[in-house]
Amino acid sequence: GQQLNQSPQSMFIQEGEDVSMNCTSSSIFNTWLWYKQDPGEGPVLLIALYKAGELTSNGRLTAQFGITRKDSFLNISASIPSDVGIYFCAGLNYGGSQGNLIFGKGTKLSVKP
Amino acid sequence: KAGVTQTPRYLIKTRGQQVTLSCSPISGHRSVSWYQQTPGQGLQFLFEYFSETQRNKGNFPGRFSGRQFSNSRSEMNVSTLELGDSALYLCASSPRGGDKTGELFFGEGSRLTVL
Repeated sequence: GQQLNQSPQSMFIQEGEDVSMNCTSSSIFNTWLWYKQDPGEGPVLLIALYKAGELTSNGRLTAQFGITRKDSFLNISASIPSDVGIYFCAGLNYGGSQGNLIFGKGTKLSVKP
Repeated sequence: KAGVTQTPRYLIKTRGQQVTLSCSPISGHRSVSWYQQTPGQGLQFLFEYFSETQRNKGNFPGRFSGRQFSNSRSEMNVSTLELGDSALYLCASSPRGGDKTGELFFGEGSRLTVL
């Protein structure tokens, strides 16, 4: 089946540093999304991307939809302790019901004050 | 506006038992999806319901089943529990039936431990 390769698996950074993570697939997606999961909570949508090449920001977060439609990246600038959590990418297929939404295995971010 | 509510939050069962988990979506949301989250496999899609009909199903055995009621509340059931069913079960609702945007609103999950 389809898979998303999300990297890195984990990151341990200093407060104030910038963070970059990405997601790749051998398949094309028409939508890319980024979710964040805080400890003990469900994932929360951060950014949704609907067009190849699209670059979207949400505060300190910036995400891009790769022009090949097979990848996406998420950048976090000037990290703060509350950025700690697991970040998931997700891709949605053509013809997609929610059942065609595929999640990466996540990037666990730790921030040292 | 109340978020997605899942009950119970935590439960412990033994092998062979069955379990029912409940999910109340955000008011007005007609689509409810269920996911299993484990450290090794990440988020795995179980099924999606829309207007009381199962619209899509993931690759799980028939021991996993669900339903949706006329008020959009949903339940999932796992029968004959196995140790490997230990996981966080997440429910997610979406704003408009047939929206198909991938934009999901997740509950906090029900953490199931099978002993």
